[in-house]
Amino acid sequence: QKEVEQNSGPLSVPEGAIASLNCTYSDRGSQSFFWYRQYSGKSPELIMSIYSNGDKEDGRFTAQLNKASQYVSLLIRDSQPSDSATYLCAVNPNYGGATNKLIFGTGTLLAVQP
Amino acid sequence: KAGVTQTPRYLIKTRGQQVTLSCSPISGHRSVSWYQQTPGQGLQFLFEYFSETQRNKGNFPGRFSGRQFSNSRSEMNVSTLELGDSALYLCASSMGTGNVWYFGPGTRLTVT
Repeated sequence: QKEVEQNSGPLSVPEGAIASLNCTYSDRGSQSFFWYRQYSGKSPELIMSIYSNGDKEDGRFTAQLNKASQYVSLLIRDSQPSDSATYLCAVNPNYGGATNKLIFGTGTLLAVQP
Repeated sequence: KAGVTQTPRYLIKTRGQQVTLSCSPISGHRSVSWYQQTPGQGLQFLFEYFSETQRNKGNFPGRFSGRQFSNSRSEMNVSTLELGDSALYLCASSMGTGNVWYFGPGTRLTVT
């Protein structure tokens, strides 16, 4: 089982719709969770970070975390063609503070159709 | 505040050569990590440095090494290059454990 799993997509949504991206992780002790956006040929750009169970909203983006189910999701409201990119889920295992690294999923390719 | 910078941005090397990549973190960030990104393997963790000490290392051969200087700038070195080392090498910096990581633009290495 991969440590961080995402559906590779592509996920195609019409402009203005809600895009829902999902991620599961295997290490129950993981503490920090991140969503990055990566345009083709560019480096990952931080979209959201979430550390506690529940929802966290920032503009059109909402991250949701459920540690009991080991599940993280990202909702993008009013999707725009400029949101078309690969969305990477990343988890920091943070074992007692001694580990400070990110484990990435393979990413979900989102295509927003005009 | 300036972001993470990496030099060079593009590099072409021949098998058997060695290469050194450089990274300057965001001002005030003391943690620097390196990742390799390839189409087949995705983003894979190489190593992480904090205050000139390597704290974590990924599952890469010993040909991959790195260091961090007192000003938090970091370098990574790959010796005896192989074709499979062709990748985008990304540097990221962070304030500390558990905090967000910000990525630089990357160095695109091509090994021929």
